[in-house]
Amino acid sequence: AQTVTQSQPEMSVQEAETVTLSCTYDTSESDYYLFWYKQPPSRQMILVIRQEAYKQQNATENRFSVNFQKAAKSFSLKISDSQLGDAAMYFCAYRSAWSSGDKLTFGTGTRLAVRP
Amino acid sequence: DVKVTQSSRYLVKRTGEKVFLECVQDMDHENMFWYRQDPGLGLRLIYFSYDVKMKEKGDIPEGYSVSREKKERFSLILESASTNQTSMYLCASNDRWDTEAFFGQGTRLTVV
Repeated sequence: AQTVTQSQPEMSVQEAETVTLSCTYDTSESDYYLFWYKQPPSRQMILVIRQEAYKQQNATENRFSVNFQKAAKSFSLKISDSQLGDAAMYFCAYRSAWSSGDKLTFGTGTRLAVRP
Repeated sequence: DVKVTQSSRYLVKRTGEKVFLECVQDMDHENMFWYRQDPGLGLRLIYFSYDVKMKEKGDIPEGYSVSREKKERFSLILESASTNQTSMYLCASNDRWDTEAFFGQGTRLTVV
């Protein structure tokens, strides 16, 4: 079974600064997808960024980028120019490319606070 | 916009009651999921369904059942609610050919 580990329960960043959230995962599969989801106080889970394991290039979405290290099974999220609206719970998630039902396996989350 | 709608945002039930949590999606997605979210534990999969009347157990199915009679609707049933089922419940759906999952706004269930 796949597992996803987020070792930072809480993080804090100054507005306009950069912060990196860590995620590691364990799998024996070679083809899979990785995601970062954001859950603000409204509780609505929003996809931040996704990465296909077969792609060597790291995904980028505006101020959000990932550092995907397949051999190390590491998938960190970098938030540049942090904004107050970035304050939320962030979940790392894994999805097999082959399993039935396409279910997501989540980490335990990192709560990000942004200081004005 | 894709919409996944959960019937209640907050719910308070008594121990032993039968509880129904409803989820409806409007994008004709094949796959639907029920997760439970607890502090420090993240999201854990209870059940999922990849087609009408099809269901599979997730990681923590004990004490729960599900029903999917129509493609757009996926119900989570607590047969006899217990206090340890007090939690946040999240419904999600996705298209079989797309990796992005879309979530409802969550139901915070308190069992007293």
